[in-house]
Amino acid sequence: GAVVSQHPSWVICKSGTSVKIECRSLDFQATTMFWYRQFPKQSLMLMATSNEGSKATYEQGVEKDKFLINHASLTLSTLTVTSAHPEDSSFYICSPLAQGSYNEQFFGPGTRLTVL
Amino acid sequence: GQNIDQPTEMTATEGAIVQINCTYQTSGFNGLFWYQQHAGEAPTFLSYNVLDGLEEKGRFSSFLSRSKGYSYLLLKELQMKDSASYLCAVPADRGSTLGRLYFGRGTQLTVWP
Repeated sequence: GAVVSQHPSWVICKSGTSVKIECRSLDFQATTMFWYRQFPKQSLMLMATSNEGSKATYEQGVEKDKFLINHASLTLSTLTVTSAHPEDSSFYICSPLAQGSYNEQFFGPGTRLTVL
Repeated sequence: GQNIDQPTEMTATEGAIVQINCTYQTSGFNGLFWYQQHAGEAPTFLSYNVLDGLEEKGRFSSFLSRSKGYSYLLLKELQMKDSASYLCAVPADRGSTLGRLYFGRGTQLTVWP
């Protein structure tokens, strides 16, 4: 299967700071990147979709100015949580999609964000 | 819109068979996915069904009935390592199969020795 990495795997920060999460597809090119988040004991919720070189499309209820997504290359996308608050504490997972994929979608290992 | 319903928790013993059900409602069906997720880890792909019937893949099989809006994941010869959350998911919109997925809340399976 495809290899996807996320960095950092976990981060603890103070309220009000910004946190950047990187997602890399290591052995394929991701034309599209999806970002999900998962609160404890909840399922994954799609946050946004981005295509390489384009602005991201955000799901209803997700603040685009708070969750900045950059998909500058086919192998790297970043999610920045700006002015993080405790309610932003969650498990953030990226899911890069390769061109031509039919029925299998891969996920990154996730980043556990804890905002104090 | 999409709606998925699956049991919250299930338990079984090692070596047994367990069936995890999923019922769904979609505005336009375009396949159903099953994922396995261990605590603190990302989901891993198990199966994708778009046609009715049973698809077998080793110890895991997945069944789909489009007319009933129903799917199940069958796990045979359970092992301790199968203890995980099992997520049922459908495409979030009728225009795509991948990427924008709508997930159920997951079924937490605990396998006892």
